[in-house]
Amino acid sequence: NAGVTQTPKFQVLKTGQSMTLQCAQDMNHEYMSWYRQDPGMGLRLIHYSVGAGITDQGEVPNGYNVSRSTTEDFPLRLLSAAPSQTSVYFCASSYSLMAGEYGYTFGSGTRLTVV
Amino acid sequence: EDQVTQSPEALRLQEGESSSLNCSYTVSGLRGLFWYRQDPGKGPEFLFTLYSAGEEKEKERLKATLTKKESFLHITAPKPEDSATYLCAVSTSGTYKYIFGTGTRLKVLA
Repeated sequence: NAGVTQTPKFQVLKTGQSMTLQCAQDMNHEYMSWYRQDPGMGLRLIHYSVGAGITDQGEVPNGYNVSRSTTEDFPLRLLSAAPSQTSVYFCASSYSLMAGEYGYTFGSGTRLTVV
Repeated sequence: EDQVTQSPEALRLQEGESSSLNCSYTVSGLRGLFWYRQDPGKGPEFLFTLYSAGEEKEKERLKATLTKKESFLHITAPKPEDSATYLCAVSTSGTYKYIFGTGTRLKVLA
């Protein structure tokens, strides 16, 4: 089925460890983004990309890196995990930056716990 | 500062009991207002985009409306399967920003 695939679904890290959250889409969307969702707060944008080779920072980029070598993939790297990065992470994609008539397509999320 | 506020935080309805969810916004320039549905353990699912005051869109039991300061998501004769968190988001003119509200958790009882 066409959509956004995120792996893993669950992850527990120790403080200071690094890891990569994977995101892949098969809809040929140019725009991809990473959000985090925390209780009592709206989804917050971490990083986004408007096409292969082009990335930029969102609202809460510190502690995260991204790259976009292909249209399909947009991995999110945690450099040195901290308890404050405990959250649910969503990858989203769209045919354009402003989403427009079709909105964003979200993955099912990665629930990350940092101990 | 651009802001999106949703109310109520939580709502419990009996099956068939119609109601409305509110999304008020303060932004420098509205490009579009979006409604999403989110089920537990899943990502948000796109419902509607509204662009200008007076615009309305419908999908099954849901109807979204937009004014210059707020949007309403009307739920007519809800069913238990309508239980979910409903998120509102706005995109602002001239930026990449897509600001989400914190959502309304809707529970429809059979």
